[in-house]
Amino acid sequence: KAGVTQTPRYLIKTRGQQVTLSCSPISGHRSVSWYQQTPGQGLQFLFEYFSETQRNKGNFPGRFSGRQFSNSRSEMNVSTLELGDSALYLCASWDRARGETQYFGPGTRLLVL
Amino acid sequence: AQKITQTQPGMFVQEKEAVTLDCTYDTSDPSYGLFWYKQPSSGEMIFLIYQGSYDQQNATEGRYSLNFQKARKSANLVISASQLGDSAMYFCAMREGLNNQGGKLIFGQGTELSVKP
Repeated sequence: KAGVTQTPRYLIKTRGQQVTLSCSPISGHRSVSWYQQTPGQGLQFLFEYFSETQRNKGNFPGRFSGRQFSNSRSEMNVSTLELGDSALYLCASWDRARGETQYFGPGTRLLVL
Repeated sequence: AQKITQTQPGMFVQEKEAVTLDCTYDTSDPSYGLFWYKQPSSGEMIFLIYQGSYDQQNATEGRYSLNFQKARKSANLVISASQLGDSAMYFCAMREGLNNQGGKLIFGQGTELSVKP
């Protein structure tokens, strides 16, 4: 099976802009989670989707939002970008096998100037 | 509160030797899963090994094994016969609840492993 794919891989934006990141899960996986990774805060959970429903949300401001489509593809959006939003954004998908092991995509590196 | 602690920010190991990366966790949920991931400089998180809280035996996956000590709440990763390609960041992670109860992973701060030739 093909792995998790994320687009774009790299992105440069300026403060105040908005950005949309995309994630395509492994075929057959209906669950998707998003994480933010920064040198200072490490890996932090953003949100999780299952069958187009957000099931869990991390402690992030409302500027961070997401959605999932009927084909399980997911997008996350960050509005009014701030310098601190510069990070590696990782998407993971899983099914009920193996303790619901999450398989990650290559990530999107976002730089906010 | 759930928490993962990795106390070794960086470690060195000689090629072909074994190395142990430490991980302790804290949770009040009797059902949980423990995971180890490898993150090379490219950024992708690569799944290595999984241990369920009710598993009786330590998990093994090729050169990776997990030394699971439930009473001590530790889940150390053992890499046998280190290779140069093992140089990377290693993250321990935990998920509370099992069987479709949520996909939030809590990660430790990571251990940077450097393998010397």
